[in-house]
Amino acid sequence: GIQVEQSPPDLILQEGANSTLRCNFSDSVNNLQWFHQNPWGQLINLFYIPSGTKQNGRLSATTVATERYSLLYISSSQTTDSGVYFCAVEVGNRDDKIIFGKGTRLHILP
Amino acid sequence: NAGVTQTPKFQVLKTGQSMTLQCAQDMNHEYMSWYRQDPGMGLRLIHYSVGAGITDQGEVPNGYNVSRSTTEDFPLRLLSAAPSQTSVYFCASSYLDRFNSPLHFGNGTRLTVT
Repeated sequence: GIQVEQSPPDLILQEGANSTLRCNFSDSVNNLQWFHQNPWGQLINLFYIPSGTKQNGRLSATTVATERYSLLYISSSQTTDSGVYFCAVEVGNRDDKIIFGKGTRLHILP
Repeated sequence: NAGVTQTPKFQVLKTGQSMTLQCAQDMNHEYMSWYRQDPGMGLRLIHYSVGAGITDQGEVPNGYNVSRSTTEDFPLRLLSAAPSQTSVYFCASSYLDRFNSPLHFGNGTRLTVT
């Protein structure tokens, strides 16, 4: 099956720093989503981004489907950005499975 | 809208007991799915459904059963619980529209099997 790899696995930054999280996938996909899991365990959808670039405030994401990767940018980090970031892909054979990577754990220090 | 509702929030079972984790959504989503989350493993897909009467296996289906008799409900059954099923379980749903169909998650059920 498809492999979804996220890097780095862990990231510790000072408040105000910028970061880039990467998601690589091993096969063609129908779409890609980014999620944030907060310290209370809630999973929130950040972006639905099968291709191209989207921005939402301090966060932006870019997916290059032909090269099988996506990037999530966080600028001017705040402590509330802490948590785990997951990417998830819908596999390309149209059977609607949505497969997650193992996540990047981000810790923002005040 | 309540979104995706999971019950119970917490559950402790003894090995061999059975139980059903409930999931309901009020957004008329066609797609529903169950994931388990274990430390360092991300979220792994157990079963999913693209509509009432249709279910399919995900990455880790063994030990779990599902059914989808209505659009709103997608219960997950453990017929004989094992300690390896100790995990946090998430239900998620979305439309099948491929142009903008973000996945919505419930708040999770923390299951411990002793």
